Amino acid sequence: DAGITQSPRHKVTETGTPVTLRCHQTENHRYMYWYRQDPGHGLRLIHYSYGVKDTDKGEVSDGYSVSRSKTEDFLLTLESATSSQTSVYFCAISEWAEGTDTQYFGPGTRLTVL
Amino acid sequence: AQKVTQAQTEISVVEKEDVTLDCVYETRDTTYYLFWYKQPPSGELVFLIRRNSFDEQNEISGRYSWNFQKSTSSFNFTITASQVVDSAVYFCALSGGFNNNDMRFGAGTRLTVKP
Repeated sequence: DAGITQSPRHKVTETGTPVTLRCHQTENHRYMYWYRQDPGHGLRLIHYSYGVKDTDKGEVSDGYSVSRSKTEDFLLTLESATSSQTSVYFCAISEWAEGTDTQYFGPGTRLTVL
Repeated sequence: AQKVTQAQTEISVVEKEDVTLDCVYETRDTTYYLFWYKQPPSGELVFLIRRNSFDEQNEISGRYSWNFQKSTSSFNFTITASQVVDSAVYFCALSGGFNNNDMRFGAGTRLTVKP
């Protein structure tokens, strides 16, 4: 158990509304990640953070922003949700072991944009 | 660019059969890491194994085994004597270098084990 929680776990929203998803970790990990999971695509990286206020884009960052004001919290914001952002969103942390980082995932948030 | 291909979208077997999940990867990095994750019907992602590019030894953990072959860029996963509880989606993933800030996942293989 990597001590990761995500909130909310489920959300239904309407097109054009802002949405913020929260990832919370309790073990002081430096690196945190947001992915989305879609059928036929596996998981794709949206954004990641390598420290407080330090973030960078991933493979599918358009339409998303992130913030990290505290080590334990990494927020993902959809400024104006679209139906194409209907997905399952996973947060992950990274732990160093045996020469590399291994990512461990939170329970996921299912987001539906109507 | 890095890429992972899991050509088997869905596999169905009967309990106690052996099953192999294929994973083929592409990378230009000389140092890279390969991973397998399991996603059971409950939806969480469970880490199974990590392998670095310098270690081609096969790994066995109970009924699970992994065959890493650099010559064919493959990292296949075999479940021996499958059980219903093995039913899940399995993802292969690749990261390059010494950090995995650009980890790429395959599309996943859905394994169904029937009693």
